[in-house]
Amino acid sequence: EVQLVESGGSLVQPGGSLRLSCAGSGFSFSSYDMFWVRQAPGKGLEYVSAISSNGDYTYYASSVKGRFTISRDNSKNTLYLQMGSLRGEDMAVYYCARATSLGVTGSHYFDYWGLGTLVTVSS
Amino acid sequence: QSVLTQPPSVSGAPGQRVTISCTGSSSNIGAGSYVHWYQQLPGTAPKLLIYDSSNRPSGVPARFSVSKSGTSASLAISGLQAEDEADYYCQSFDGRYSDWVFGGGTKLTVL
Repeated sequence: EVQLVESGGSLVQPGGSLRLSCAGSGFSFSSYDMFWVRQAPGKGLEYVSAISSNGDYTYYASSVKGRFTISRDNSKNTLYLQMGSLRGEDMAVYYCARATSLGVTGSHYFDYWGLGTLVTVSS
Repeated sequence: QSVLTQPPSVSGAPGQRVTISCTGSSSNIGAGSYVHWYQQLPGTAPKLLIYDSSNRPSGVPARFSVSKSGTSASLAISGLQAEDEADYYCQSFDGRYSDWVFGGGTKLTVL
């Protein structure tokens, strides 16, 4: 059974930093591109960042570029999101998602999601 | 403001058919980008509902179907059931921004 378990969410002050983790199991973690998607309270889904299966390529939404860093450790089946210079608008539930590509740039869909971890940004 | 536009809410009685639209532009749906759909039940994580415009993962009933035309796509739910009450999101890729994009979401209420 495919499982994704996020951790690391907590209360952080504006300007602070936080590292999220996502542990994958039940599938060949190193074979899949992985994503972070967030959902602010009462709002919709927002793409945050993506990383290729071998970690060579990373992508970021403009709203987080320069502040967040995505990485992965395939030996530990774990995805990370290092978050810095946090702002109020970064407050959200952060989901990690396994992505399957249809072979065309940007054709990814998210076939498995974790339960999410809550990041609260407040002084 | 989402790149993909969905109606905030739709509703229908049990057994009825409802549709949820997802309107994009020439840089995403109109450019031929794939459209995928997700269901998010209250208090839970999103779940893949339909991918590649028409494929349903195992366990998703055939009551859920999609169509696509020009810069828009639509999700249709027939034989509405109480358990379908959820938020629904479309997702695609925008070549102008080189970003994966979601619709703003549509809340389905089963009357």
